[in-house]
This record gives sequence, structure tokens and C-alpha cells, in this order.
Amino acid sequence: DGGITQSPKYLFRKEGQNVTLSCEQNLNHDAMYWYRQDPGQGLRLIYYSQIVNDFQKGDIAEGYSVSREKKESFPLTVTSAQKNPTAFYLCASLERVGSTEAFFGQGTRLTVV
Amino acid sequence: GQNIDQPTEMTATEGAIVQINCTYQTSGFNGLFWYQQHAGEAPTFLSYNVLDGLEEKGRFSSFLSRSKGYSYLLLKELQMKDSASYLCAVRSFKAAGNKLTFGGGTRVLVKP
Repeated sequence: DGGITQSPKYLFRKEGQNVTLSCEQNLNHDAMYWYRQDPGQGLRLIYYSQIVNDFQKGDIAEGYSVSREKKESFPLTVTSAQKNPTAFYLCASLERVGSTEAFFGQGTRLTVV
Repeated sequence: GQNIDQPTEMTATEGAIVQINCTYQTSGFNGLFWYQQHAGEAPTFLSYNVLDGLEEKGRFSSFLSRSKGYSYLLLKELQMKDSASYLCAVRSFKAAGNKLTFGGGTRVLVKP
């Protein structure tokens, strides 16, 4: 079955460490997105990529980095520069920019200890 | 920029109807989406409106008025499993990447 997979589901990080969240899709979708969700709040866009080898900053990109070396993969690195990284992170994909339905992964809950 | 408002929380009884309102301000409107999200899980797509009017899909309906910047999601014959957060999101063709901007979500609690 086609889908979008995030791993791990839960992640703990010590302060000062970088950590990478995985997002893989086998839907052959061009566009991929990373969102952050804080408790009781909506989703905020961190980064997005419309095609391979290209990505753009979203609304809250500071302290994060991404890469898009393959169409299927869009990993997100939370760096030590991110001051408040504890959150629920969601990856999404669209067949192409402008498609009506975004498919979401199951999310990664990151906790800084 | 874009601004999206929806109530924080609503409570309803099993079998009843609940209407979740969403107001938005945006330029270059290019569609409004409703998603359902159970706690700790990913959002799932419910509906999409780009023209004025009502879209019905089973127990769920979504309405859009572009001139008023207003949408609602109507949930009929409520079931306990409908307890979740409902996210309103707006897309603008003026926003880079045609990105979706989400409201804060409305948490719906269905009581027996």
C-alpha cells in the first residue's frame, strides 16, 4: 500500500544535540512539507519542497534544516539552535503543488530532556 | 498574511448535530480544507471547498461563503468516535508553495 511514513514515533533528545526525523513516501508525490504542532494549536509550516533538490523555508524555519536528495525522502533535522523543540512534528505530501488532498504521516513526538 | 479563527472547544451529545465555524482572511483564496485529528495522530482529510455552497459527504458537510470569508463543518448523527480536533485550513495561490495555513483547531467532545 502507498503511504507516507515517519519515524520514530517518539524521540527524546538532550539539550544541545541535533536530531533527525525521517519522512518517506512511496506515493510518487512531488511536494513534501514539514509542520510543527504545539499542544492545543494548529499546524505551522517549517519547510517545504516542491521538487527534488529544492526546498523553501516556511513560517518557522529557524533552528531547522532539511534536504531533498530523493523524491521519496524529506528528512528534517532539529538543530541545537532551535530554542523550544519539544513538539509534535508532522510530515505531509501532495501529488503536486495545488493538489487538493495532503497525505500526512503519523507524526513524531519530540521531547527534549 | 492569513488569519484563521475557529472556536477552541465544543461539546455535544451523541446523536446530535454540531456546527464548527471557521472565519478567515486571505488574499488569493484557493481553497478551504477541513481535517479531523484524533489526539496524538495525524490529521485526516475530510473536505475541500473552493466554490460557494455546501459539499456533503455522508454525515459530514462543509459550507463555504467566499464573500464572507466563512466556512462551517457540520457533523450529523454524532458518534463517540467523532470526539477529535477539527482543523480548518486555507490555501492561497499567493502563498509560496501553495501552502496550507491552519487554524488552531476546534476540539469536539461528544458525550453519551
